[in-house]
Amino acid sequence: SAVISQKPSRDICQRGTSLTIQCQVDSQVTMMFWYRQQPGQSLTLIATANQGSEATYESGFVIDKFPISRPNLTFSTLTVSNMSPEDSSIYLCSVATGVYEQYFGPGTRLTVT
Amino acid sequence: GENVEQHPSTLSVQEGDSAVIKCTYSDSASNYFPWYKQELGKRPQLIIDIRSNVGEKKDQRIAVTLNKTAKHFSLHITETQPEDSAVYFCAAEFSGTYKYIFGTGTRLKVLA
Repeated sequence: SAVISQKPSRDICQRGTSLTIQCQVDSQVTMMFWYRQQPGQSLTLIATANQGSEATYESGFVIDKFPISRPNLTFSTLTVSNMSPEDSSIYLCSVATGVYEQYFGPGTRLTVT
Repeated sequence: GENVEQHPSTLSVQEGDSAVIKCTYSDSASNYFPWYKQELGKRPQLIIDIRSNVGEKKDQRIAVTLNKTAKHFSLHITETQPEDSAVYFCAAEFSGTYKYIFGTGTRLKVLA
């Protein structure tokens, strides 16, 4: 499986500010995804990061709040904009290396005060 | 919308006993069903998966079964050990999109 890193690993941010999370893979991958995991909860897909085009967002998530970039096949960013305490969560990227299998990055733990 | 239900939400077993976690899915076009293990503070780890053309898959102490007609799939862990304690998530791939819908998770505790 691929080696996936995320930066930052954690952050504490003031409400109203924005944070950009980076996801780096050590090899080219077909698909990259961004998930949110609220404390004690399951994983919810935010969007599919498409290389060279706009991300595909799931119901309940919008581009203005969660802009995503994917400039190449090994890197993606997720920005959490105009943060509120409800955005406190773990944000994880995942990559698809084969037909279906997905592997997760270590996650970014965000606390909004 | 598409949905994956997972039961039970918590499960306690004695070390050496077996554990079974069950999931049902709603999308009849789902083709792929992975299981993830998430230890506290760690990322979800893929532990086993099954594709729709297979009824059962085994890997040492873990196995997964799939009943496509009933839209059920299950994770079986035999000879449980304390290090099996974690939260387990099932997922179903959504209609050939490569996107996953996750179950709500099962917290497994293996008592020594």
